[in-house]
Amino acid sequence: AQSVTQLGSHVSVSEGALVLLRCNYSSSVPPYLFWYVQYPNQGLQLLLKYTSAATLVKGINGFEAEFKKSETSFHLTKPSAHMSDAAEYFCAVNGGRRALTFGSGTRLQVQP
Amino acid sequence: NAGVTQTPKFRVLKTGQSMTLLCAQDMNHEYMYWYRQDPGMGLRLIHYSVGEGTTAKGEVPDGYNVSRLKKQNFLLGLESAAPSQTSVYFCASSYSGGGWTEAFFGQGTRLTVV
Repeated sequence: AQSVTQLGSHVSVSEGALVLLRCNYSSSVPPYLFWYVQYPNQGLQLLLKYTSAATLVKGINGFEAEFKKSETSFHLTKPSAHMSDAAEYFCAVNGGRRALTFGSGTRLQVQP
Repeated sequence: NAGVTQTPKFRVLKTGQSMTLLCAQDMNHEYMYWYRQDPGMGLRLIHYSVGEGTTAKGEVPDGYNVSRLKKQNFLLGLESAAPSQTSVYFCASSYSGGGWTEAFFGQGTRLTVV
């Protein structure tokens, strides 16, 4: 079985502040983990992925995520939020079942 | 390079009507997927296909049928639409089923059943 839990359906930060979006996973096999971003009225775009090569993964637009096996976590961070980061973010896991399993999503709001 | 293209982008159906959503990919991907997105529930897998001529059920398959007659196309059918099928539908494709391969998504189809 595989699943992900995203803590916080809405996160609000000020422009320039740290962004932290939380994701915890459950997988019976070593997982592959992904973060996707969805801008309004658009499809999902890959931000970054963990494939066991390195625990700290850097993605597009200044985002990064760290895989922590002991905590079963894969939190997404960005040092300084920009207005253009406002979107919905999805964590996903693939534990070998041929399709991604998604979390419920976190909507990020960036205040000026 | 179009990637994954979904048609139509919007549709309003009356309860009991039928329709087919079309997904086309030009990346020569083996795997294709249909997800539905509902508020607070993320994306849930409806059906998927691991190759031409094959389909399999996902997490929420009831009320939907699919076909993959050509490698590049994956069709999602609703035989008798219900208001519970009001949702945004996303098609995706990936190179293989290997866990490391990411899925590429279309722009979505917003379906309203009244």
